Amino acid sequence: KAGVTQTPRYLIKTRGQQVTLSCSPISGHRSVSWYQQTPGQGLQFLFEYFSETQRNKGNFPGRFSGRQFSNSRSEMNVSTLELGDSALYLCASSLGQQNSPLHFGNGTRLTVT
Amino acid sequence: GDSVTQMEGPVTLSEEACLTINCTYTATGYPSLFWYVQYPGEGLQLLLKATKADDKGSNKGFEATYRKETTSFHLEKGSVQVSDSAVYFCALSPDSSYKLIFGSGTRLLVRP
Repeated sequence: KAGVTQTPRYLIKTRGQQVTLSCSPISGHRSVSWYQQTPGQGLQFLFEYFSETQRNKGNFPGRFSGRQFSNSRSEMNVSTLELGDSALYLCASSLGQQNSPLHFGNGTRLTVT
Repeated sequence: GDSVTQMEGPVTLSEEACLTINCTYTATGYPSLFWYVQYPGEGLQLLLKATKADDKGSNKGFEATYRKETTSFHLEKGSVQVSDSAVYFCALSPDSSYKLIFGSGTRLLVRP
């Protein structure tokens, strides 16, 4: 069974640009979550989608947005990039029930210069 | 708000030594508790979980017991291997929530 796939693995962008990250969940999983990992702040929850609906949102500015498609694939968008957005962005999928274990992808490393 | 506190790393041990990584939490209600492990260059993998008080999660020789009275979920292993070298994250899922709140992570280095 294929795992969670995130593309691209690496991205370099300039301040002010926007970026879209992609996540393909494990087949059959209807929930996709996004997390930001930085050395200073650690792992922080961005948002979670289930059947194309956002169920949970973390404390990030509106520049961070996401969506989920009918095939459960998800995208995350960051607009007007700032240097502080440099991070590893992790996507996780699950069956979507309470306490369902999360299965993480290997992440997209975003560098903003 | 809900939070997780882990012991600072790095933790350096010799092979076959005993491991304990402390984790305490603050949460309302009845959260579920998890340990995840991250190997270099990879995403996180679920190591074990416990969903109610006094539950013991176990996997690959690792164990952790959900202690509500001390709000703790310490990770233990009786004999570590070099291949256990990784970063370990304690996490909680608040009651009726679909998100995880992570601790800061503890790096474990096991020397041959």
